[in-house]
Amino acid sequence: GAVVSQHPSWVICKSGTSVKIECRSLDFQATTMFWYRQFPKQSLMLMATSNEGSKATYEQGVEKDKFLINHASLTLSTLTVTSAHPEDSSFYICSVERGGPDTQYFGPGTRLTVL
Amino acid sequence: DAKTTQPTSMDCAEGRAANLPCNHSTISGNEYVYWYRQIHSQGPQYIIHGLKNNETNEMASLIITEDRKSSTLILPHATLRDTAVYYCIVRDYGQNFVFGPGTRLSVLP
Repeated sequence: GAVVSQHPSWVICKSGTSVKIECRSLDFQATTMFWYRQFPKQSLMLMATSNEGSKATYEQGVEKDKFLINHASLTLSTLTVTSAHPEDSSFYICSVERGGPDTQYFGPGTRLTVL
Repeated sequence: DAKTTQPTSMDCAEGRAANLPCNHSTISGNEYVYWYRQIHSQGPQYIIHGLKNNETNEMASLIITEDRKSSTLILPHATLRDTAVYYCIVRDYGQNFVFGPGTRLSVLP
């Protein structure tokens, strides 16, 4: 498998502020990481694919200028929610992919609440 | 859209086997069947995956029908800690993981 951590596990912020969420691959070097979000009582939705050393690939309907992704190293990807609003309140989960065939392993998630 | 169909919810008595079905009638030859579960307020946990043959690991068994159009995840001795939403995902190499609504399994004492 793979061990993935996220920080913080939860965060509360005021509307209009920016929040950074970290995703770390603890036991292997991940060239690709994935960011999902999950609204209450809904399933996970892929937001973007984070590629080390290059620009992230965003899913349709996800604003790349609002959700900034930086994959600066093989063990760290960050998601910054800029100018957060209450509708951005959600559970954000990252994952890494390894193995054959590629299997994704997920972090514990970060719950964002925007007041 | 998810390529699988699962029952919305199921109950299972503690200590009994939990059998979770999944239909994937449009599965193609290169697509694997993956199972994950998500306990409340946690990230999904990988359980098992397979292509054609039945698979078993320390968590569960995966039974895939010969025509590969359906599969069953078996938790041999369910415990209260197995209460979770279970997701069946069909996916080829290089494709994204698409999560459907899953099956909410409640293990009852």
